[in-house]
Amino acid sequence: SAVISQKPSRDICQRGTSLTIQCQVDSQVTMMFWYRQQPGQSLTLIATANQGSEATYESGFVIDKFPISRPNLTFSTLTVSNMSPEDSSIYLCSVEAPPSNNEQFFGPGTRLTVL
Amino acid sequence: GQQLNQSPQSMFIQEGEDVSMNCTSSSIFNTWLWYKQDPGEGPVLLIALYKAGELTSNGRLTAQFGITRKDSFLNISASIPSDVGIYFCAGEETSGSRLTFGEGTQLTVNP
Repeated sequence: SAVISQKPSRDICQRGTSLTIQCQVDSQVTMMFWYRQQPGQSLTLIATANQGSEATYESGFVIDKFPISRPNLTFSTLTVSNMSPEDSSIYLCSVEAPPSNNEQFFGPGTRLTVL
Repeated sequence: GQQLNQSPQSMFIQEGEDVSMNCTSSSIFNTWLWYKQDPGEGPVLLIALYKAGELTSNGRLTAQFGITRKDSFLNISASIPSDVGIYFCAGEETSGSRLTFGEGTQLTVNP
């Protein structure tokens, strides 16, 4: 498995501002994923972030709203831009880690509230 | 796109009872995963299934990968209060592809 940390763990933000969420992994991983979990809902994939390439976004998510960085094999950031109350969610990063790369392990999440 | 139907949506049981939940899909998956999420935490992987027909146990938890590759179930035996949480199934088409999540089963265990 992999140990994943996220910062911040929670935040309350004003409408129109932006927040950058950090995800740190204790081992080098190729693939990192960013998910959104709206209140009382399941997880929805925002994008896949591979080191050295542009992130791949899922339908309904765009780079201008959710820019992602992946500077190395242990770190990624997700920015939620120009926030509105509808962006209030838990944002989770996950990784596929060896020995079995079919298993995804999740960070503790960042709980975002937009006023 | 792919959809996972997870049922039941919620369960209220007495401590000591067995629990069963399942997921069905309109598409074939090569991997089925079962997660548990506690309040304020990220999902924690419970069991991973890789082969059609595979039956895998992890303590009191047992999960099976359906023969058709379109379904999976999770059983919890002799439930205890710490089993409370939301259980999610997830399917993966191929290694490195996106996970599709079920809608979750909220489990409440009454002591």
